[in-house]
Amino acid sequence: EAGVAQSPRYKIIEKRQSVAFWCNPISGHATLYWYQQILGQGPKLLIQFQNNGVVDDSQLPKDRFSAERLKGVDSTLKIQPAKLEDSAVYLCASSPTRERQTQYFGPGTRLLVL
Amino acid sequence: GENVEQHPSTLSVQEGDSAVIKCTYSDSASNYFPWYKQELGKRPQLIIDIRSNVGEKKDQRIAVTLNKTAKHFSLHITETQPEDSAVYFCAAEGPDKLIFGTGTRLQVFP
Repeated sequence: EAGVAQSPRYKIIEKRQSVAFWCNPISGHATLYWYQQILGQGPKLLIQFQNNGVVDDSQLPKDRFSAERLKGVDSTLKIQPAKLEDSAVYLCASSPTRERQTQYFGPGTRLLVL
Repeated sequence: GENVEQHPSTLSVQEGDSAVIKCTYSDSASNYFPWYKQELGKRPQLIIDIRSNVGEKKDQRIAVTLNKTAKHFSLHITETQPEDSAVYFCAAEGPDKLIFGTGTRLQVFP
C-alpha cells in the first residue's frame, strides 16, 4: 500500500512570499489532515477534511493560510504571505474515517522563511 | 477543548533498561489514545494505540496502559535498544481531532 505523498520536501522562501504544499493521501482514505509541527513541539492540527468538506479549521490562520481538497482526493495548503514564524514542518496525514482511526503521516514539507 | 500533557520532555536510559513516558488528558470524553514515534527528520509513525474499553495493550517490547478515572496513559518500553532512540508523542482524541503532547526525546545509550 502506497503511503501519504507530499511535495516539495523542502522549501526556502523570503517573508511575504507565497508558498504551496501538495498532499496525496492513501487511496480510499476519506479524511485528510494538515498539521504544523514547529521544531521541538508536537504536531498541531491546521485543518481537517472529510472527503472534500472542511470538518475543522479552527486553528488555521485564515488571513494567510488556505487549503482545498476539491475532488476529495489530493489537497493543497497555501501560505500567502509567509511570516518568519511559519517556519516549520507541514505534515499531511490521512485516515479511513474521522473517529478513532489511525492517522498515517506523510514525510512532511520543511519550510524555512527567511 | 482537549489538553494533553506529556512527561518527561527528555529521557536517557542505558540499553536494556526500561523507559516509561506518561501523559495526562483533560477531556473525559476522549476514547482513543495513540502513540507515535518520530525519528529525526522523519514522519511520525504509529507504534501502538489503545481505546477506552481496555486498560492495557502489549506489542512485543511496547505496552500502553490507560487509567480513565485518573485521565492518564503511559507508554512502557522494555529491553530498550539504541534504535528506540527517537521522539515519542502521545495523543488523545478530543472532539473530532487528535491533540498531541509535546513529545519526549528518548536516548538509549549502548
